[in-house]
Amino acid sequence: AQTVTQSQPEMSVQEAETVTLSCTYDTSENNYYLFWYKQPPSRQMILVIRQEAYKQQNATENRFSVNFQKAAKSFSLKISDSQLGDTAMYFCAFMNPPGGSEKLVFGKGTKLTVNP
Amino acid sequence: DSGVTQTPKHLITATGQRVTLRCSPRSGDLSVYWYQQSLDQGLQFLIQYYNGEERAKGNILERFSAQQFPDLHSELNLSSLELGDSALYFCASSPGAVDNEKLFFGSGTQLSVL
Repeated sequence: AQTVTQSQPEMSVQEAETVTLSCTYDTSENNYYLFWYKQPPSRQMILVIRQEAYKQQNATENRFSVNFQKAAKSFSLKISDSQLGDTAMYFCAFMNPPGGSEKLVFGKGTKLTVNP
Repeated sequence: DSGVTQTPKHLITATGQRVTLRCSPRSGDLSVYWYQQSLDQGLQFLIQYYNGEERAKGNILERFSAQQFPDLHSELNLSSLELGDSALYFCASSPGAVDNEKLFFGSGTQLSVL
């Protein structure tokens, strides 16, 4: 079974600075998808970024980018120019390759606080 | 707004009772997923339906059941409720199309069992 590990339970960063959240996963599959979701205090789960394992290029979405290291099974999230609204729980998630269930397997999350 | 609608937003009930949580997926999405989020267990996958049929089952208790109706909305039924069932229950939906899978989450139903 796939597992996702987020080793940083809590992190903090100053506004306008850059922070990186770590995620590792375990799978025997070659093709799969990885995600970062954000859960602010409103508790809504918001998709931040998605990466296909067969793509070598790292995904980016505005201030959010990932460092995907397939061999190391590592998938970190970098947030640039941090804003107060980035304060949230961040969850890393794994999805099986097409053909099976598209369910997400989540890590336990990292609580990020952006300080003014 | 994700386009996924969950009702009710909050539910308070007593041990031993039965409740039904409802989910309407995004327009056009064929897959519906149910997740349970609690402090000790994190986000746990319960069950997935695709176009009316069960596709995958996770850590769902026998006291829990779900179904997806012809109009693609889904219901999660929780019975013989225990204190430990108190949690935030999320529904999510996805298109079910290969190579573009993303899950969009509703705002959740907060269940409190007293």
